[in-house]
Amino acid sequence: GIQVEQSPPDLILQEGANSTLRCNFSDSVNNLQWFHQNPWGQLINLFYIPSGTKQNGRLSATTVATERYSLLYISSSQTTDSGVYFCAAAGGSQGNLIFGKGTKLSVKP
Amino acid sequence: NAGVMQNPRHLVRRRGQEARLRCSPMKGHSHVYWYRQLPEEGLKFMVYLQKENIIDESGMPKERFSAEFPKEGPSILRIQQVVRGDSAAYFCASSPSGWGYEAFFGQGTRLTVV
Repeated sequence: GIQVEQSPPDLILQEGANSTLRCNFSDSVNNLQWFHQNPWGQLINLFYIPSGTKQNGRLSATTVATERYSLLYISSSQTTDSGVYFCAAAGGSQGNLIFGKGTKLSVKP
Repeated sequence: NAGVMQNPRHLVRRRGQEARLRCSPMKGHSHVYWYRQLPEEGLKFMVYLQKENIIDESGMPKERFSAEFPKEGPSILRIQQVVRGDSAAYFCASSPSGWGYEAFFGQGTRLTVV
Protein backbone atom coordinates (compact mmCIF):
# COMPACT_ATOMS: atom_id res chain seq x y z
CA GLY A 1 0.00 0.00 0.00
CA ILE A 2 0.82 3.66 -0.12
CA GLN A 3 3.59 4.95 2.18
CA VAL A 4 3.46 8.44 3.68
CA GLU A 5 6.54 10.09 5.15
CA GLN A 6 6.65 13.47 6.85
CA SER A 7 9.56 15.71 7.68
CA PRO A 8 10.85 17.10 9.90
CA PRO A 9 9.57 15.03 12.83
CA ASP A 10 10.01 17.95 15.24
CA LEU A 11 10.20 21.68 14.71
CA ILE A 12 10.69 24.50 17.19
CA LEU A 13 9.99 28.04 16.04
CA GLN A 14 10.03 31.49 17.51
CA GLU A 15 6.72 33.30 17.21
CA GLY A 16 6.57 35.16 13.91
CA ALA A 17 8.82 32.76 11.99
CA ASN A 18 7.83 30.92 8.82
CA SER A 19 8.07 27.17 8.25
CA THR A 20 7.63 24.50 5.60
CA LEU A 21 6.46 20.96 6.38
CA ARG A 22 6.91 18.21 3.82
CA CYS A 23 4.92 15.09 3.00
CA ASN A 24 6.21 12.46 0.56
CA PHE A 25 3.97 9.68 -0.71
CA SER A 26 4.89 6.56 -2.63
CA ASP A 27 2.04 6.22 -5.15
CA SER A 28 -0.43 8.29 -7.13
CA VAL A 29 -3.13 9.74 -4.89
CA ASN A 30 -6.77 10.65 -5.27
CA ASN A 31 -6.97 12.15 -1.79
CA LEU A 32 -4.43 14.10 0.21
CA GLN A 33 -5.31 15.98 3.38
CA TRP A 34 -3.43 18.03 5.96
CA PHE A 35 -4.62 18.08 9.57
CA HIS A 36 -3.62 19.92 12.72
CA GLN A 37 -3.98 18.00 15.95
CA ASN A 38 -4.12 20.55 18.72
CA PRO A 39 -2.84 19.94 22.27
CA TRP A 40 -6.34 18.80 23.27
CA GLY A 41 -6.21 16.02 20.69
CA GLN A 42 -8.74 17.45 18.27
CA LEU A 43 -8.07 16.90 14.55
CA ILE A 44 -8.69 20.00 12.49
CA ASN A 45 -9.00 19.80 8.71
CA LEU A 46 -6.56 22.22 7.11
CA PHE A 47 -6.54 21.31 3.44
CA TYR A 48 -7.97 18.78 1.03
CA ILE A 49 -5.38 18.99 -1.71
CA PRO A 50 -4.74 15.98 -3.97
CA SER A 51 -3.15 18.41 -6.44
CA GLY A 52 -2.53 22.12 -6.91
CA THR A 53 -2.18 24.99 -4.45
CA LYS A 54 -4.54 26.38 -1.84
CA GLN A 55 -4.32 29.17 0.71
CA ASN A 56 -6.23 29.85 3.90
CA GLY A 57 -5.02 32.85 5.85
CA ARG A 58 -1.47 32.29 7.08
CA LEU A 59 -1.47 28.71 5.85
CA SER A 60 -1.00 27.46 2.33
CA ALA A 61 -0.36 24.08 0.76
CA THR A 62 0.95 22.76 -2.52
CA THR A 63 0.76 19.22 -3.85
CA VAL A 64 2.88 18.17 -6.82
CA ALA A 65 1.22 14.88 -7.63
CA THR A 66 3.61 13.96 -10.45
CA GLU A 67 6.56 14.22 -8.05
CA ARG A 68 4.65 12.69 -5.14
CA TYR A 69 5.02 15.32 -2.49
CA SER A 70 3.03 17.97 -0.70
CA LEU A 71 4.18 21.01 1.25
CA LEU A 72 2.43 22.89 4.03
CA TYR A 73 3.57 26.48 4.61
CA ILE A 74 2.95 28.31 7.85
CA SER A 75 3.74 32.00 7.84
CA SER A 76 4.07 34.37 10.80
CA SER A 77 3.63 31.49 13.22
CA GLN A 78 1.70 31.95 16.45
CA THR A 79 1.76 29.98 19.70
CA THR A 80 -1.68 28.64 18.84
CA ASP A 81 -0.12 26.90 15.80
CA SER A 82 1.59 24.46 18.17
CA GLY A 83 0.59 20.83 17.91
CA VAL A 84 1.12 17.97 15.51
CA TYR A 85 0.58 18.34 11.78
CA PHE A 86 -0.46 15.21 9.92
CA CYS A 87 -0.47 14.48 6.25
CA ALA A 88 -2.76 11.65 5.07
CA ALA A 89 -3.06 10.21 1.59
CA ALA A 90 -5.17 7.66 -0.24
CA GLY A 91 -4.69 6.22 -3.70
CA GLY A 92 -3.30 3.38 -5.76
CA SER A 93 -4.70 0.15 -4.41
CA GLN A 94 -5.27 1.71 -0.98
CA GLY A 95 -8.65 3.34 -0.56
CA ASN A 96 -8.44 4.44 3.06
CA LEU A 97 -6.41 7.43 4.26
CA ILE A 98 -2.90 6.50 5.34
CA PHE A 99 -1.40 8.88 7.89
CA GLY A 100 2.18 9.94 8.23
CA LYS A 101 3.81 10.03 11.65
CA GLY A 102 3.36 13.77 11.88
CA THR A 103 5.47 16.86 12.48
CA LYS A 104 5.38 18.13 16.06
CA LEU A 105 5.52 21.92 16.00
CA SER A 106 6.26 24.04 19.04
CA VAL A 107 6.00 27.81 18.67
CA LYS A 108 7.69 29.75 21.47
CA PRO A 109 6.58 33.26 22.47
CA ASN B 1 -15.48 18.88 11.22
CA ALA B 2 -17.36 19.74 14.41
CA GLY B 3 -20.30 18.07 12.64
CA VAL B 4 -18.99 14.55 13.31
CA MET B 5 -20.18 13.70 16.81
CA GLN B 6 -18.50 11.07 18.92
CA ASN B 7 -19.45 9.96 22.39
CA PRO B 8 -18.38 9.50 24.97
CA ARG B 9 -15.33 11.76 24.87
CA HIS B 10 -13.65 9.75 27.61
CA LEU B 11 -14.32 6.16 28.61
CA VAL B 12 -12.73 4.16 31.40
CA ARG B 13 -13.18 0.40 31.45
CA ARG B 14 -11.77 -2.35 33.61
CA ARG B 15 -10.00 -5.24 31.93
CA GLY B 16 -12.53 -7.74 30.62
CA GLN B 17 -15.39 -5.26 30.23
CA GLU B 18 -16.97 -4.14 26.98
CA ALA B 19 -16.48 -0.72 25.41
CA ARG B 20 -19.01 0.85 23.02
CA LEU B 21 -18.01 3.93 21.07
CA ARG B 22 -20.57 5.89 19.07
CA CYS B 23 -20.23 8.08 16.00
CA SER B 24 -22.83 10.20 14.23
CA PRO B 25 -21.56 11.38 10.82
CA MET B 26 -21.98 14.86 9.42
CA LYS B 27 -25.35 15.61 7.92
CA GLY B 28 -25.52 14.27 4.40
CA HIS B 29 -22.59 11.88 4.87
CA SER B 30 -23.23 8.17 4.49
CA HIS B 31 -19.66 6.88 4.71
CA VAL B 32 -18.00 6.32 8.08
CA TYR B 33 -14.42 5.37 8.95
CA TRP B 34 -12.88 4.39 12.28
CA TYR B 35 -9.24 5.04 13.15
CA ARG B 36 -7.16 4.31 16.24
CA GLN B 37 -4.34 6.48 17.57
CA LEU B 38 -1.89 5.07 20.05
CA PRO B 39 0.09 7.57 22.19
CA GLU B 40 2.70 9.51 20.21
CA GLU B 41 1.69 7.85 16.94
CA GLY B 42 -0.29 8.66 13.83
CA LEU B 43 -3.77 7.36 13.12
CA LYS B 44 -4.24 3.81 11.86
CA PHE B 45 -7.24 2.80 9.76
CA MET B 46 -9.54 0.19 11.25
CA VAL B 47 -12.80 -0.09 9.28
CA TYR B 48 -14.91 1.62 6.60
CA LEU B 49 -18.70 1.34 6.67
CA GLN B 50 -21.72 2.49 4.77
CA LYS B 51 -25.25 2.13 6.03
CA GLU B 52 -25.77 -1.56 6.89
CA ASN B 53 -22.57 -2.59 5.10
CA ILE B 54 -18.95 -3.12 6.04
CA ILE B 55 -16.91 -2.06 3.02
CA ASP B 56 -13.35 -2.61 4.30
CA GLU B 57 -12.33 -4.02 7.66
CA SER B 58 -8.72 -4.77 6.77
CA GLY B 59 -7.39 -2.76 9.72
CA MET B 60 -9.66 -4.28 12.33
CA PRO B 61 -8.23 -6.83 14.78
CA LYS B 62 -9.78 -10.24 14.07
CA GLU B 63 -10.94 -10.84 17.61
CA ARG B 64 -12.90 -8.77 20.12
CA PHE B 65 -13.49 -5.83 17.77
CA SER B 66 -16.62 -5.26 15.70
CA ALA B 67 -18.30 -2.32 14.00
CA GLU B 68 -21.71 -1.57 12.60
CA PHE B 69 -23.56 1.29 10.95
CA PRO B 70 -27.26 0.50 11.11
CA LYS B 71 -29.95 1.95 8.89
CA GLU B 72 -31.02 4.18 11.77
CA GLY B 73 -28.74 5.60 14.43
CA PRO B 74 -25.03 6.10 14.89
CA SER B 75 -22.15 3.88 13.94
CA ILE B 76 -20.90 1.74 16.82
CA LEU B 77 -17.39 0.43 17.42
CA ARG B 78 -17.53 -2.36 19.96
CA ILE B 79 -14.57 -3.80 21.84
CA GLN B 80 -15.26 -6.88 23.91
CA GLN B 81 -13.15 -8.05 26.86
CA VAL B 82 -10.90 -5.00 26.75
CA VAL B 83 -7.21 -5.30 27.60
CA ARG B 84 -4.70 -2.60 28.57
CA GLY B 85 -3.34 -2.53 25.01
CA ASP B 86 -6.72 -1.28 23.78
CA SER B 87 -6.12 2.04 25.56
CA ALA B 88 -5.99 4.62 22.79
CA ALA B 89 -7.86 7.44 21.13
CA TYR B 90 -10.49 6.21 18.67
CA PHE B 91 -11.49 8.62 15.93
CA CYS B 92 -14.42 8.45 13.60
CA ALA B 93 -14.53 10.25 10.25
CA SER B 94 -17.24 10.71 7.65
CA SER B 95 -17.41 11.71 4.01
CA PRO B 96 -20.23 12.33 1.54
CA SER B 97 -19.06 9.50 -0.67
CA GLY B 98 -16.28 6.96 -0.65
CA TRP B 99 -12.56 7.00 -1.17
CA GLY B 100 -11.22 10.17 -2.71
CA TYR B 101 -13.58 12.56 -0.93
CA GLU B 102 -12.56 14.84 1.91
CA ALA B 103 -12.99 13.14 5.27
CA PHE B 104 -13.95 15.05 8.41
CA PHE B 105 -13.04 13.76 11.84
CA GLY B 106 -14.81 13.81 15.16
CA GLN B 107 -13.17 14.79 18.42
CA GLY B 108 -12.36 11.21 19.32
CA THR B 109 -13.08 8.92 22.23
CA ARG B 110 -10.21 8.37 24.63
CA LEU B 111 -10.44 4.84 26.01
CA THR B 112 -8.49 3.98 29.13
CA VAL B 113 -8.41 0.39 30.32
CA VAL B 114 -7.50 -0.04 33.99
